[in-house]
Amino acid sequence: EAQVTQNPRYLITVTGKKLTVTCSQNMNHEYMSWYRQDPGLGLRQIYYSMNVEVTDKGDVPEGYKVSRKEKRNFPLILESPSPNQTSLYFCASSLLSGSADTQYFGPGTRLTVL
Amino acid sequence: AQSVTQLDSHVSVSEGTPVLLRCNYSSSYSPSLFWYVQHPNKGLQLLLKYTSAATLVKGINGFEAEFKKSETSFHLTKPSAHMSDAAEYFCVVSERYSTLTFGKGTMLLVSP
Repeated sequence: EAQVTQNPRYLITVTGKKLTVTCSQNMNHEYMSWYRQDPGLGLRQIYYSMNVEVTDKGDVPEGYKVSRKEKRNFPLILESPSPNQTSLYFCASSLLSGSADTQYFGPGTRLTVL
Repeated sequence: AQSVTQLDSHVSVSEGTPVLLRCNYSSSYSPSLFWYVQHPNKGLQLLLKYTSAATLVKGINGFEAEFKKSETSFHLTKPSAHMSDAAEYFCVVSERYSTLTFGKGTMLLVSP
């Protein structure tokens, strides 16, 4: 089944403890992206990647890192999480990086930073 | 720069009545426009998209949207609401690469 998977789905952690949220897609998509969703703000893009070893900042990149060493994986790294990073995170992918390409979203990861 | 305004944060309808969710956009280029739906505790599902072909776009579950360049609008409609339509709806614009800009969402409430 074609899908975007994220792990973990739920995570509670403490301030300053490094964590990684994994994202994987099995559709051979070139473009991958991370968003965070906060009440009343919709989704905002954190980072995106147009292909292997090509990443760039989105609208809210502060406090996050990403890497794209393989085409299928695009992990999101929080080196020193803070409470303002408590949010619902979505990974997405699309076949190419054109504006008309449909993005497919993962199920989401709910992160709480205490 | 691209932006999206969803004009209503909440819309309430009765089952069987029409649905109208309003969206205005701003873009420097010829954008692609999308509507996504998010059911409670679920991920996002694409309803429909406009990519400079026909201005009236039909999507899944009986939804459709009309692209009106002169009004910079992309309103979502459905002739008859169903209880299962209760969800949050996001209007989305993309003018370059695959960078999506989301509206803040409209919560659709459907009463029996």
